[in-house]
Amino acid sequence: ELKVEQNPLFLSMQEGKNYTIYCNYSTTSDRLYWYRQDPGKSLESLFVLLSNGAVKQEGRLMASLDTKARLSTLHITAAVHDLSATYFCAGRSNFGNEKLTFGTGTRLTIIP
Amino acid sequence: ETGVTQSPTHLIKTRGQQVTLRCSSQSGHNTVSWYQQALGQGPQFIFQYYREEENGRGNFPPRFSGLQFPNYSSELNVNALELDDSALYLCASSLTGYGYTFGSGTRLTVV
Repeated sequence: ELKVEQNPLFLSMQEGKNYTIYCNYSTTSDRLYWYRQDPGKSLESLFVLLSNGAVKQEGRLMASLDTKARLSTLHITAAVHDLSATYFCAGRSNFGNEKLTFGTGTRLTIIP
Repeated sequence: ETGVTQSPTHLIKTRGQQVTLRCSSQSGHNTVSWYQQALGQGPQFIFQYYREEENGRGNFPPRFSGLQFPNYSSELNVNALELDDSALYLCASSLTGYGYTFGSGTRLTVV
């Protein structure tokens, strides 16, 4: 059964700094997702990573996937306050059954 | 294109009661999944429906049941509510093979 772990669970960082959130998963997952969630809100899709070595960027966020290491990273560049949120990674367990297994989330707080 | 809509947005129920939550899929999406998100946790998979048939279930008891209709909308039913059922319930629709669109969720409180 697929298990997904994120670290850190909490991250407080200053505006303008760079940081990385790590997502490890236990078994083969054919795609890896990153979501953002604001307090009391639903999940906003950020990235879908499909293959080894995939890298996607949107604004100050960049996600990458290493299927051999079973590791995905979400890198934040020059953080701004608007990026404060909880970030989740999720793996898809089995092809044909689109169950997503989520990590516990990383609560990111950007301090001015 | 319309997104995923869920109703109601908030709900308070008493322990032992039954509840039905509703979800309208994004246009063209034939698969719907339901997730339970307890406070401070990641979403947990409840079950998935594809073309009106259950297509996978997580570790939830049988009192959690669902339906998908021909227009791909869906319902989540929970019987004999327990205090631990208090959570945000998220519906996600997808077109088999790629991405998921999540609804805004239903916040269920069981007292």
